[in-house]
Amino acid sequence: DSGVTQTPKHLITATGQRVTLRCSPRSGDLSVYWYQQSLDQGLQFLIQYYNGEERAKGNILERFSAQQFPDLHSELNLSSLELGDSALYFCASSVSRVGTQYFGPGTRLLVL
Amino acid sequence: GNSVTQMEGPVTLSEEAFLTINCTYTATGYPSLFWYVQYPGEGLQLLLKATKADDKGSNKGFEATYRKETTSFHLEKGSVQVSDSAVYFCALTSGGGADGLTFGKGTHLIIQP
Repeated sequence: DSGVTQTPKHLITATGQRVTLRCSPRSGDLSVYWYQQSLDQGLQFLIQYYNGEERAKGNILERFSAQQFPDLHSELNLSSLELGDSALYFCASSVSRVGTQYFGPGTRLLVL
Repeated sequence: GNSVTQMEGPVTLSEEAFLTINCTYTATGYPSLFWYVQYPGEGLQLLLKATKADDKGSNKGFEATYRKETTSFHLEKGSVQVSDSAVYFCALTSGGGADGLTFGKGTHLIIQP
């Protein structure tokens, strides 16, 4: 158990819908990262937040957005969902901007 | 940009065999290198890391040495067990700033009794 928690574990929704994935970092960690794991693209970095502010952006679509709240938990919002958005979404946290990242168990999203 | 190349497998070995999973990288600056492991149905677990050239990371019998001259970070274990069956990911972050991990495609390892 890494100490990073993610909810929900599974999510099934329809095309065009919007969902919110939630992540709580390890106690004391200030950075939160979001990743997408799909069969065709592999593991891709989406976005990083540090102490409430966006720090780095990866291959995140414009339909996706994230934020980190004052209690340091983070949410990833996915809108106008497409079939191709079906994937495992992982959250990771680290103590600093560049520290070792520890991963949560993931949220499996299925878009029908 | 950054990239990581690793053998995808599946790699099938017998118990107690010697394991090598190759990983090479391309990166700007002075990257930190990692191996993560993903067991079926689970998230990624950090296996080991190295942050500068010639560093050796080790954990649970696995080892990898940061080779700057060959831009490699090969994973080795002297005697594998059935419980080592999993997908192994090589990854890096560029030094000097905040960024996410760049992953290889993962190597599926199957250990047969």
